[in-house]
Amino acid sequence: GDSVTQMEGPVTLSEEAFLTINCTYTATGYPSLFWYVQYPGEGLQLLLKATKADDKGSNKGFEATYRKETTSFHLEKGSVQVSDSAVYFCALTHYGNNRLAFGKGNQVVVIP
Amino acid sequence: DSGVTQTPKHLITATGQRVTLRCSPRSGDLSVYWYQQSLDQGLQFLIHYYNGEERAKGNILERFSAQQFPDLHSELNLSSLELGDSALYFCASSDQGADTQYFGPGTRLTVL
Repeated sequence: GDSVTQMEGPVTLSEEAFLTINCTYTATGYPSLFWYVQYPGEGLQLLLKATKADDKGSNKGFEATYRKETTSFHLEKGSVQVSDSAVYFCALTHYGNNRLAFGKGNQVVVIP
Repeated sequence: DSGVTQTPKHLITATGQRVTLRCSPRSGDLSVYWYQQSLDQGLQFLIHYYNGEERAKGNILERFSAQQFPDLHSELNLSSLELGDSALYFCASSDQGADTQYFGPGTRLTVL
């Protein structure tokens, strides 16, 4: 079945640092890929998505590129702010079978 | 604000009891999904309804059931509750044929 793997452990970094969160997936065919963000005490918000190979999703300074050859969808941001502190989830779904398969999530803590 | 509403926000109950969680999708969305978020299992898909009909089941226990009503709101019923059922339960909705799901704020269930 489909699965999503995110790097282990929380990520702690200083304000204005570069952020990378790794995400790889196992799936048949050509899934759509997503990053969702969960701020403390809130639900999940869609951050960005990509629906086909080599597509780049971007939003609020975050970017991720759909890499079919490496089955990856790594999230990056060039200069993080304290307000980016949250849990980030990588997820995938297939057209016609819209259940989302999520990674375990990464807690990101940005220190002023 | 995603437009998806869930009630109640918090629920505390005892083992063996039964509870009902309610979800109202975004206006016009016909699909409703339920997910469970727990520390050990992460985010797991439970069930999908489309316009009143069950479309897909995931890792949903037999003690759990759901339904979607003619006004498109959905309810998740959890019975014979166990300590391990303590979790955040999210509802999400999507437009017909769309791959993006919009999440509600969740219901935090605590079973004592």
